[in-house]
Formats: sequence, structure tokens, C-alpha cells
Amino acid sequence: KQEVTQIPAALSVPEGENLVLNCSFTDSAIYNLQWFRQDPGKGLTSLLLIQSSQREQTSGRLNASLDKSSGRSTLYIAASQPGDSATYLCAAPQGGSEKLVFGKGTKLTVNP
Amino acid sequence: GAGVSQTPSNKVTEKGKYVELRCDPISGHTALYWYRQSLGQGPEFLIYFQGTGAADDSGLPNDRFFAVRPEGSVSTLKIQRTERGDSAVYLCASSPFGGGIYNEQFFGPGTRLTVL
Repeated sequence: KQEVTQIPAALSVPEGENLVLNCSFTDSAIYNLQWFRQDPGKGLTSLLLIQSSQREQTSGRLNASLDKSSGRSTLYIAASQPGDSATYLCAAPQGGSEKLVFGKGTKLTVNP
Repeated sequence: GAGVSQTPSNKVTEKGKYVELRCDPISGHTALYWYRQSLGQGPEFLIYFQGTGAADDSGLPNDRFFAVRPEGSVSTLKIQRTERGDSAVYLCASSPFGGGIYNEQFFGPGTRLTVL
């Protein structure tokens, strides 16, 4: 059974800092992994999809990496801004299925 | 449409009542998913449709929950005899493919269900 863990649960940084969010998963037989952003009271916004054949995926100031062998993914945010404040969720497929298993998220606060 | 839409955005009901939650996926997306999110938790899978058929309903908590997608587009999640523990945000997602490495799921804004 897939289990996804995100560390830390919360993170507060000053504006401009580079930061890393961590995600670990127990079942490495995945074909992709997805990172999402969730603002308070809102739905999920897809940030990045990393395919199993990729090691990294980039979108603007965001870079996600995937290491299947160690069961880890990281989301790197460069030059953080107050508008980046949100909860970031990592999700990996349950083995052999289409259903995503989510971590509890990391709540990020970027202070001006 | 431009994105996944869900109606209503908020639903307050009394214990024991029946509710229906609606999801309109992105046009052309064949796969549709329902998840449920409780406060402080990540979303939990409920059911997945490929076209009109439920390909995986292993996440439905009990037989009070049922979902349909009769024409392979709009889906309705139905909850009978609601209980206070059903209170949560119900999220719908769709994806253009049925699976595989390119299967990116796109989420709607959710329906916040409160059972009094």
C-alpha cells in the first residue's frame, strides 16, 4: 500500500529565500508523481508532473526531482515570494492503479 | 470548459438527508476522479471513472456513497442518509488519459459539505 509523507509540516521563510520541500513514498513502482498547490479554501492546482523516466521537471521558479530508488521527491522553490504562501501537496499513484495517494502537505509561509 | 467545475460550492444539510454533488470535467477528458479532503489532511481517493464506467470504486467508504457518469462527461456523487462524519470537502479531478506516465490530474475547486 502506498504511503506518502511530507516533511516539514510547516515552513516559514523570509522573502527571497530558496527552499526545498520533501516528499517520500513507500511504493517505488510508480510511473509518475505530481506536486500540487492548495490555497486556503480552494481546490488543488497542479504544479508539476514528473514521469518515472525523468529525474527533474522545471516550471518557472519551481523544480521538482524524483528518485524512485530511494522513494523521494523534492520541490525546490527559488527566490520565494509572499504569493508562494500556500500548502504544497505531493501525490503518488497507488501501485498499479490510477488513484493518487496524497501526503498531508507542507504549509509554506513566505514573509515580506 | 476552461477547467473542472463543481457545484454547489457549499452544501449544508441535516443528518439523515440525501445530497448530490456535481462535477463537470475538462472537455474531452476521459478519466474522472472523486476525492474527499478532511481538515488538515491530504485528499483521499473515492472513485475513478474511465468513460461511463466506474473503473475503481475501492475508496467509497460504504454503500451510502454512490457515483454515476452516465454520458461519460458530467458526474454526480450521491450520498444517502448523511452523517456528521461525511462533512468534508469533496474534490473532483479529470485527466485526458486513462492512465500511464502522462496521466496528470486536474482538480476542481471542491464542494464543502457540512452535515449538521
